[in-house]
Amino acid sequence: TQLLEQSPQFLSIQEGENLTVYCNSSSVFSSLQWYRQEPGEGPVLLVTVVTGGEVKKLKRLTFQFGDARKDSSLHITAAQPGDTGLYLCAGEGRSQGNLIFGKGTKLSVKP
Amino acid sequence: KAGVTQTPRYLIKTRGQQVTLSCSPISGHRSVSWYQQTPGQGLQFLFEYFSETQRNKGNFPGRFSGRQFSNSRSEMNVSTLELGDSALYLCASSWPGLTDTQYFGPGTRLTVL
Repeated sequence: TQLLEQSPQFLSIQEGENLTVYCNSSSVFSSLQWYRQEPGEGPVLLVTVVTGGEVKKLKRLTFQFGDARKDSSLHITAAQPGDTGLYLCAGEGRSQGNLIFGKGTKLSVKP
Repeated sequence: KAGVTQTPRYLIKTRGQQVTLSCSPISGHRSVSWYQQTPGQGLQFLFEYFSETQRNKGNFPGRFSGRQFSNSRSEMNVSTLELGDSALYLCASSWPGLTDTQYFGPGTRLTVL
């Protein structure tokens, strides 16, 4: 069974702090996606990483795909209250159209 | 370009009833996937449709079913509702051949009393 484990589950920090969220698996994924979800809304795609070792930056967010394509991380620099939300990593399962999701990291950034 | 739309946004039903949820994908997207999201289990895959055919199905009972129309719009149906079916039901669409990158709708919040 393909699983994605995210850590930490909860994170509460002050505005301006840095943080890293991890997404790990024992399985190889052809790509991994990161989503952010706000309460009562659907997940919004942030990035897709495809190549082992790839690093992508989106303003203050840096995403990295592990060399073996089994893990990924999301680093946020100088977090702001607008970064608050549920961060989810996902990878396509063995069948098309079936994304496997981690349980998510609930981030709260306090002003 | 309009995003994925889902209707209704909220539903309240009682046990034993059935419900139909609707999803309109992004224009040009032909693959539609459905997920159930609960606090305990997170997002779990229900099924995926492409060109009116169900290609893949998750590990849910037969009470959960779906279909896709020729314009790629999709519906899912849950019969004989149980309390545990209370969840946020999310629909996502993707380009053909790029099913790993999915775009989600806002979801339908189903409450079963």
